[in-house]
Amino acid sequence: SQKIEQNSEALNIQEGKTATLTCNYTNYSPAYLQWYRQDPGRGPVFLLLIRENEKEKRKERLKVTFDTTLKQSLFHITASQPADSATYLCALGGHTGGFKTIFGAGTRLFVKA
Amino acid sequence: GAVVSQHPSRVICKSGTSVKIECRSLDFQATTMFWYRQFPKQSLMLMATSNEGSKATYEQGVEKDKFLINHASLTLSTLTVTSAHPEDSSFYICSARTMDRVTDTQYFGPGTRLTVL
Repeated sequence: SQKIEQNSEALNIQEGKTATLTCNYTNYSPAYLQWYRQDPGRGPVFLLLIRENEKEKRKERLKVTFDTTLKQSLFHITASQPADSATYLCALGGHTGGFKTIFGAGTRLFVKA
Repeated sequence: GAVVSQHPSRVICKSGTSVKIECRSLDFQATTMFWYRQFPKQSLMLMATSNEGSKATYEQGVEKDKFLINHASLTLSTLTVTSAHPEDSSFYICSARTMDRVTDTQYFGPGTRLTVL
């Protein structure tokens, strides 16, 4: 069955450092991959979308890579700030899943001042 | 950006009662809306896909008679939890997909915390 794996352990980093979160998937051929941010008790907020034919995408302090051979995406936050503390969800869509999007369970990020 | 609202944000009800949750796209038309539920520290679980003017498509294991979905307009979808029981307590989130299919992006509402006593 289709599976998305995100590190269930929280990631703790110091302010100013680069946070790197990993998303791995199996039994899926996505047309695109998305990253969302979710704060406690709130709905997810869309951050970035990267398509299967794109290797990397950037938006301000965010960078996403997508390796369809490794079936992996890396999500980087440079110059991290305490306000970046949240849960980050990886999501896949298109091809195998059609118009449905499937979500990973997310990785909790804590940025210490 | 696209904004999706949900109402209410929190609801506490007695077992056996029904609860309606509204999901609205405020500044765009959504041909498709999705309903999810989320348990603590778990991923979003898709319950159903709602297309304007047609019956919702439910995921396997989701009871359509228990979770009634209505998508009456391009900006409004409702989820009614009928005869709620404590096991229905969860965080319910809706999302709306824009008519611009190029972006393939869902915009989420803020969620509704349902507690059934």
